[in-house]
Amino acid sequence: NAGVTQTPKFQVLKTGQSMTLQCAQDMNHNSMYWYRQDPGMGLRLIYYSASEGTTDKGEVPNGYNVSRLNKREFSLRLESAAPSQTSVYFCASSVYSSTDTQYFGPGTRLTVL
Amino acid sequence: AQSVTQPDIHITVSEGASLELRCNYSYGATPYLFWYVQSPGQGLQLLLKYFSGDTLVQGIKGFEAEFKRSQSSFNLRKPSVHWSDAAEYFCAVGADYKLSFGAGTTVTVRA
Repeated sequence: NAGVTQTPKFQVLKTGQSMTLQCAQDMNHNSMYWYRQDPGMGLRLIYYSASEGTTDKGEVPNGYNVSRLNKREFSLRLESAAPSQTSVYFCASSVYSSTDTQYFGPGTRLTVL
Repeated sequence: AQSVTQPDIHITVSEGASLELRCNYSYGATPYLFWYVQSPGQGLQLLLKYFSGDTLVQGIKGFEAEFKRSQSSFNLRKPSVHWSDAAEYFCAVGADYKLSFGAGTTVTVRA
């Protein structure tokens, strides 16, 4: 039972490049989330998917897109990376809503030059 | 919209001493409150959560938290800190499919 997995663990991009962060969970959870973590700001929600087939914007969605590929997988795409997107990105999942415990992946450290 | 404030950015505590981390929340209805811990280079792990009922909540690793509605607080405590408790701690409030996190408190444990 791997829980929540994320790939890659580290990535360096140049400004304007695109990339997709992958997230998968094997706990049969319905809800999945993408956060970014920046020093002194805690975690901020980028997008979430309350259930398969639905996605909604969080607090900081600009510059990102998401796809809920199936119940297990939730990807985050940066179409044209900017230095302001340098951050650590965490994926999380929960049974249903945010009132349930969220389980976090190990994170992806992204640097945009 | 809900929000969380953690007033202490950094706390240093001696091993064996007690620890208290402060958390204040803002939310109009009954809150769902959480404490998570993040060890260096790791993801977040749930320590404890409060939904309703007993206002003193027990969690893992010997932590507890007390919900005080009158003060809009959910402070985390541990009676005796171990060196392995050095980490960053996040308080969060849950509502409308979203968790809102505080900025975190970094705990340093000195020998």
